Amino acid sequence: GAGVSQSPSNKVTEKGKDVELRCDPISGHTALYWYRQSLGQGLEFLIYFQGNSAPDKSGLPSDRFSAERTGGSVSTLTIQRTQQEDSAVYLCASSPRWVSSSYNEQFFGPGTRLTVL
Amino acid sequence: SQQGEEDPQALSIQEGENATMNCSYKTSINNLQWYRQNSGRGLVHLILIRSNEREKHSGRLRVTLDTSKKSSSLLITASRAADTASYFCATVPSGGYQKVTFGIGTKLQVIP
Repeated sequence: GAGVSQSPSNKVTEKGKDVELRCDPISGHTALYWYRQSLGQGLEFLIYFQGNSAPDKSGLPSDRFSAERTGGSVSTLTIQRTQQEDSAVYLCASSPRWVSSSYNEQFFGPGTRLTVL
Repeated sequence: SQQGEEDPQALSIQEGENATMNCSYKTSINNLQWYRQNSGRGLVHLILIRSNEREKHSGRLRVTLDTSKKSSSLLITASRAADTASYFCATVPSGGYQKVTFGIGTKLQVIP
């Protein structure tokens, strides 16, 4: 079946503009994660959604970052007033259930490469 | 401080040799997972080991976990050029928290 998809694959924007990044998780997966990966670095956790529970926003770096998940499926990560340090690859992952259960791997999308000029 | 720190950060070996990567972490975990990332396939889950397990195998992969030392190792036996990638460990904390923490990874190069 279809995997996790993300759009756009690449986004170039000017400093100060807002951007929206979209993630379509695997159908039926209730857990959804957003990460940020800077060049040559590991993944930085941003936000986690699980079903209808309140999201874990503890990783969002500033109040310019927000995310929502509509209908328990598609998620949008919004970055307002982008800065050059926001340039990175933004990765989305979904999981059948919460990752602290057994056998719950995350399935990653291909990412969105964001470049802020 | 960073959870899930891999060591070494870079490793270069000849095809057919074994590759060992280590991961250290700081807090109690529910499970630890290893992922591979290459340009062709993105990030792919390799193996998950739970906190009450000590060793796990999957094909040419062997993962060990020592919770007393808060460390894990990933062994790839009989490496192939296609194993060239970055390898990340990811820790899932105990206590019901769902924030997964990734390390900065080990960049493995397998020379044909």
